[in-house]
Amino acid sequence: TQLLEQSPQFLSIQEGENLTVYCNSSSVFSSLQWYRQEPGEGPVLLVTVVTGGEVKKLKRLTFQFGDARKDSSLHITAAQPGDTGLYLCAGWNYGGATNKLIFGTGTLLAVQP
Amino acid sequence: DAGITQSPRHKVTETGTPVTLRCHQTENHRYMYWYRQDPGHGLRLIHYSYGVKDTDKGEVSDGYSVSRSKTEDFLLTLESATSSQTSVYFCAIRSAGGESRNEQYFGPGTRLTVT
Repeated sequence: TQLLEQSPQFLSIQEGENLTVYCNSSSVFSSLQWYRQEPGEGPVLLVTVVTGGEVKKLKRLTFQFGDARKDSSLHITAAQPGDTGLYLCAGWNYGGATNKLIFGTGTLLAVQP
Repeated sequence: DAGITQSPRHKVTETGTPVTLRCHQTENHRYMYWYRQDPGHGLRLIHYSYGVKDTDKGEVSDGYSVSRSKTEDFLLTLESATSSQTSVYFCAIRSAGGESRNEQYFGPGTRLTVT
C-alpha cells in the first residue's frame, strides 16, 4: 500500500514567519500535487510537480519534488492569515494503475495575525 | 474552476432512507470520482468512473453505489443511509495530460447528516 506521510500535522504560527511542510513516501510517484482546502470548501489544486528535483514557485510558496520522486516539500515565506487552511499532498501511482490519486495525511496550518 | 457542481450542497436525512448525490461537470472529462472526508481519516475514495457505465470501487465502497449514464453526470447513492455515512462528500474529475501530468479538480462538496 502506498502511503504519503505529511509533517507536521498541525502548525500554528504568527504572520510573517516562514514554514515548511513535508510530504514523504517510500514509493515512487510519477507526479505530486499540492492542494489547499479552506473550511467548507473543496480542495483547490495549487501546483503539480513532475520531474525529480523540480522546484516551482507560486508567489510566496515554493514547491520542491525530491530527486527520487518519493518526497516533496512546500515552503511558505512570510506567511499571511490568508494562507490558513489544510494543505494536502497527493501523488499518482508510478508504473501501476494511474486511475487513483494517493492523498497525504494533511497539514493544518493556522496563521495568526 | 473545472466546471464541477454538486447537488444538494447540504442534506439532512434519517437513518434508513435512500439518498442520491449528484455531480455534474461541463468539460467532458472521462474520469470522475467520489470521495468522503472525515476528521482523522482525510479524503477516502468511494467509487470512481472511467467512462459512461464504467465504474470501479474505491477503498470505502460498502453501502454506496454509483451510476454514470451520461459523461457529465456521476451519481452517488446511499441505498439505506446510516449514521456512519454522515460526512462531507466531494466529487472530482481528472483532467488528462499524459500519465505524469494528470490533475484532479474537486467540486464544492455536499455535507450530509444522517440522524
